[in-house]
This record gives sequence, structure tokens and C-alpha cells, in this order.
Amino acid sequence: GENVEQHPSTLSVQEGDSAVIKCTYSDSASNYFPWYKQELGKGPQLIIDIRSNVGEKKDQRIAVTLNKTAKHFSLHITETQPEDSAVYFCAAAEDNYGQNFVFGPGTRLSVLP
Amino acid sequence: SQTIHQWPATLVQPVGSPLSLECTVEGTSNPNLYWYRQAAGRGLQLLFYSVGIGQISSEVPQNLSASRPQDRQFILSSKKLLLSDSGFYLCAWTGARTEAFFGQGTRLTVV
Repeated sequence: GENVEQHPSTLSVQEGDSAVIKCTYSDSASNYFPWYKQELGKGPQLIIDIRSNVGEKKDQRIAVTLNKTAKHFSLHITETQPEDSAVYFCAAAEDNYGQNFVFGPGTRLSVLP
Repeated sequence: SQTIHQWPATLVQPVGSPLSLECTVEGTSNPNLYWYRQAAGRGLQLLFYSVGIGQISSEVPQNLSASRPQDRQFILSSKKLLLSDSGFYLCAWTGARTEAFFGQGTRLTVV
């Protein structure tokens, strides 16, 4: 089955700097890769996703890149702000088979003012 | 727009007591529904998923059960809670596309 690894487990950056979180997956059948942000005591919120027919997707300060050959994808946050502090999860799934979602263990991002 | 409701937000239950957590989805029909558990500082573990009324698949053997009595209602239950059942429980749904949307979670503490 699918296995998703995520690094680093914790990340501290200064406000205004960039943050990068990386994930690797094992199942070449996976073709959908979402990223979730979870604030303390709340459910995860989808912030960006990418499908395997594209290599990069950007939404304002966040972007995701995908390397299908190497089976890894990354979340990039630019111009970080204190409100970006949260736990971020990556996941991999085979499109149209939501029950196959496999989540990474999470990265706790702290943006220091 | 679609919304997902999950309650209660927090729950403290004694060992051996029953459990019922409820999740409902609005604004969509025939969603796939999921229950996840998140241990403190850990990732998300899929417990159950359902592709339709009365159809439940379990991912891990455990002390919990799930039911789907209506199209947009998903219930997580236990007859007798264990200390190890403590955690943060999340309900989620997916529709025609694979994007998963989560409820706000229930923090369960078994004492």
C-alpha cells in the first residue's frame, strides 16, 4: 500500500521568510496530492492540491510542486506570517478513490514575529 | 455550498461507557464519508469509510463501530470505551472529486 513520508516534523522560520515542507510517496498509482492546514483544536483545512497532470500550482503565497518521477511533492509558503503557524499535512490518493487517502505525519510550522 | 457538522466538540467519558459521535453533511448528495482518529501530535488514521447508506468499511480492528443510517449522516459508536480510545476524531467527506473536507473534530477523553 501507499506510504507517505513528510519532512521536517517541525519547522521554525522568521516572519517574512519562506517555508518548504517535503513529502514522498511510494505508490505510482497515486495521482492526487492535497495539502491541509490544521490549527490547534480544529479540523484540517484543504489549502492547495495538485494532480499528476501538472508539475506546479500556485495560489497567492502558497505553491505546490510535484515530481512524479522521483515521487515527491513539496509545499512552498512565501512571505510567511504568524497566522501561517499551524500543523501541515500532505496526503496522496488515487483520484476518485478517496478511501485511499494516506496522510503524512505532519509538520508543525512556527512563524516567529 | 457544502458544509460538514460534527458534534460534540469535546467529550469526557468514563471507561466502560458508550459513545456516539455524529457527523452530517449538507449541500451534497451521496458523499463518501470517513471517520479518522488523530492521536496527540500524530497524523490521521482512517478508521471507517462509507460509500453509501448501510455500507461501512473498517480499516483497523478496534473497539469502535460506525453506521450510516442516512445518506448524509455518519455515526461513530462504541459500546464500552477504553482508555486507548482517547483522541481527536475527525469526520470527512469526498464528493465527485477527490478533495476531502473535514469537520471541526471531537476531542474525546476517556477517564
